[in-house]
Amino acid sequence: EIVLTQSPGTLSLSPGERATLSCRASQSVSVSNLAWYQQKSGQAPRLVIYGASNRAADIPDRFSGSGSGTDFTLTITRLEPEDFAVYYCQQYGSSPYTFGQGTKLEIK
Amino acid sequence: QITLKESGPTVVKPTQTLTLTCTFSGFSLTTSGVGVGWIRQPPGKALEFLGILYWDDDKRYSPSLESRLTFTKDASKNQVILTMTDVDPVDTATYFCALRRRYCSGVRCQFGSFEIWGQGTVVTVSS
Repeated sequence: EIVLTQSPGTLSLSPGERATLSCRASQSVSVSNLAWYQQKSGQAPRLVIYGASNRAADIPDRFSGSGSGTDFTLTITRLEPEDFAVYYCQQYGSSPYTFGQGTKLEIK
Repeated sequence: QITLKESGPTVVKPTQTLTLTCTFSGFSLTTSGVGVGWIRQPPGKALEFLGILYWDDDKRYSPSLESRLTFTKDASKNQVILTMTDVDPVDTATYFCALRRRYCSGVRCQFGSFEIWGQGTVVTVSS
């Protein structure tokens, strides 16, 4: 089973700033089968990035993903108030399709 | 428009069997390359992958829960059913179902991530 470790656990930033979230895998993630989800309180997760670097439908271009192998990054430039949420990474190349423990992006 | 919705009991007693239904629209589980996954989230905790059922009846279960989980489908009703035996208070969580599909570019095909999720259903295990 691939273990995903996200850092930091909590990130405190102000609107307009840049956010960098990290996801590290215990072994290489095949064919960059790495996704990022955004979850707001009381809501279902929403797909943000798939294939490590592809934005999902209706996701603004201030969101970008990068990385390969075992190290992946989600970057949000110019934070908007609606971006503050919990973000999870998930690998979907090797079952079980595990999730990271999440990074909470909060307003400073 | 694709939608998924989970339904089932809100409270289940310890040792009982939990049955949840995911009812979907906008796609068919008879279409090649389609799968419906189950994910849960205990209160205040992270997401946990439970497993997935594919169009061809192939299934993948989380190893830690495989002995207690069963997925079945009723394609005519556009439903996937999750059955979990011998529940415990640690199974208290919001349970989500989500759509996964295969995409092909030329001769190369690959399964995607969980692209659309249901709203989730809260299940409490308590006597």
